[in-house]
Amino acid sequence: GQQLNQSPQSMFIQEGEDVSMNCTSSSIFNTWLWYKQEPGEGPVLLIALYKAGELTSNGRLTAQFGITRKDSFLNISASIPSDVGIYFCAGLNTGNQFYFGTGTSLTVIP
Amino acid sequence: NAGVTQTPKFQVLKTGQSMTLQCAQDMNHNSMYWYRQDPGMGLRLIYYSASEGTTDKGEVPNGYNVSRLNKREFSLRLESAAPSQTSVYFCASHLRWEQFFGPGTRLTVL
Repeated sequence: GQQLNQSPQSMFIQEGEDVSMNCTSSSIFNTWLWYKQEPGEGPVLLIALYKAGELTSNGRLTAQFGITRKDSFLNISASIPSDVGIYFCAGLNTGNQFYFGTGTSLTVIP
Repeated sequence: NAGVTQTPKFQVLKTGQSMTLQCAQDMNHNSMYWYRQDPGMGLRLIYYSASEGTTDKGEVPNGYNVSRLNKREFSLRLESAAPSQTSVYFCASHLRWEQFFGPGTRLTVL
């Protein structure tokens, strides 16, 4: 099965720093989604992107749908301790199937 | 509006035992999914149901069966549990281009 290449695998940052992570695929997707998962919980949808080149913000989060439709980026500005968790990207293809990245584990040091 | 609910939250089984994981959604979504999540592997699709009365295999269906009881409910059954099925299981439902997850079931097979 296909999994998306997500990097970095983990990040340890100081509170207040900005964070960037990305997801790449060898296949084209029609939709890119970014999720956050906290310990003991299911993934929660943060941002959805529907069009190549689209840039969407949700508070301190900004995500972009790559022009080639094979990648996406998530940025978190001015990180705070509650940003801690695992961030997953997901792509939806023309066959209506979802594929997930392996996750980026974020630790924010106060 | 509870979203996607799963029961039980935790379960310990002995090898060879059977059990059914329950999932329900109250969002009137047509599509529902079962995933397993293992460390470093991201989310892998076990089975999905595009609509009531239909089910299809995903990436890792061996050792599992599913039932789409009605539009709300989608259950996952392990007929003879094996230690390799120790994992966290997530149910999800899908509307248009977005997928919503339940809180997960943590299953340990001894």
